[in-house]
Parts: sequence; structure tokens; C-alpha cells
Amino acid sequence: KAGVTQTPRYLIKTRGQQVTLSCSPISGHRSVSWYQQTPGQGLQFLFEYFSETQRNKGNFPGRFSGRQFSNSRSEMNVSTLELGDSALYLCASSLGFSRETQYFGPGTRLLVL
Amino acid sequence: GESVGLHLPTLSVQEGDNSIINCAYSNSASDYFIWYKQESGKGPQFIIDIRSNMDKRQGQRVTVLLNKTVKHLSLQIAATQPGDSAVYFCAEKEGQAGTALIFGKGTTLSVSS
Repeated sequence: KAGVTQTPRYLIKTRGQQVTLSCSPISGHRSVSWYQQTPGQGLQFLFEYFSETQRNKGNFPGRFSGRQFSNSRSEMNVSTLELGDSALYLCASSLGFSRETQYFGPGTRLLVL
Repeated sequence: GESVGLHLPTLSVQEGDNSIINCAYSNSASDYFIWYKQESGKGPQFIIDIRSNMDKRQGQRVTVLLNKTVKHLSLQIAATQPGDSAVYFCAEKEGQAGTALIFGKGTTLSVSS
């Protein structure tokens, strides 16, 4: 069974631009969560989606948004990019909206110049 | 705020030794704990998990111990190998929060042969 896939793997943007990242969960998994990883703050939860609905949200500004499609694939968008948005963005999928194990993708490395 | 943390940022061991990575958590409501391994350039990889109704769980070469009295979690790796070199994260979940994970800062394990 294929794992979680994320595209693109690497991205370079400039301040003020916006970016969209994509995540395809493991087949059969219906829950997708997004995390931001930086050297200073570590892994921080952004939001989670289940059945196309955002179920939980972390402490990030409204510039960070996401959505989930009927096939469980998810996208996250960051608008008006800031230098501090440079990070590894990780997507994780799990079977359902409960306490099942989350499996992570390889991440998208975003660099904001 | 409530968070999960690790006692040591780095741990160096010799190949063949047993490694113990510690983690302290502060949220009494957390009832599910997970250990992840992250190698350079990759997303976190699930190692082992434990629920709060257990105090010990064993996997292949790994054991997780949970001490709810002192809010302490540890990961023991038997016969550590160079391939075990990575950053190890503990993470916690509250049942009420769904699948949102709160991660500790991570411990870098270096194994020398």
C-alpha cells in the first residue's frame, strides 16, 4: 500500500506570494492532519480534516487554510507569505477521526525569500 | 501552556548498547502517546504507541514505558544500530481533541560503530 504522498517536495517563494501544498493520504484513510516543522518551534499542529470538514485547528493565523476533497486528498494554502513561514510542512493521515495512529508523508520544504 | 518535552536534546551511544530516550508530559488529560523517528530529509516514522491504560508495550527491539504518576514516557531501544541514528519525538493526544498531536522538541540519537 502506498504511503502518504506530498507535492511538491520543494518550493521557493517570495514574501507576499501565496502557496498551495497537496497531500494524498494512504488509501482508505479518511483523516488528514497538517503540521509545520521548524528548527525553533519543532512540530506544530495546523489543522485536521475528516469527511471534508475541518475538525480541529491549531494556533496559526488565518493566512493558513486548508480543505479536503471527497477522495480524502487535502490541500493547504498559505497566503501573503512571510519569511517565518519557511518550514517543512508535513501531512499525516489516519483511518478515522479518533486516536488511530497518524502516518506522515515526506513533507514539503518551503523556503520564503 | 501544556506541552510534551524531552529531557535531553542529544544522546550518543555505541553500537550494540541499549538506548533510553525520555519524555515528560504535563497534560494529565492526555491518554495516548506515540513515539516517532525522523531521519534527515524524511517525515516522522511511527515507531510505537501506548494508551494510558497500559504502562508498558513492546515492539521489535523497542519498548515504551509510561509512568502516569510522574507523567513520564520513555523509549528503550535494544542493541542500538547505526540505522537507529535519527531524531526521536514523543507526542501526546487528548481524547477530546481528536487526532491532534502535541509533539515534544525531539532527541537526536547518534550511534557510533
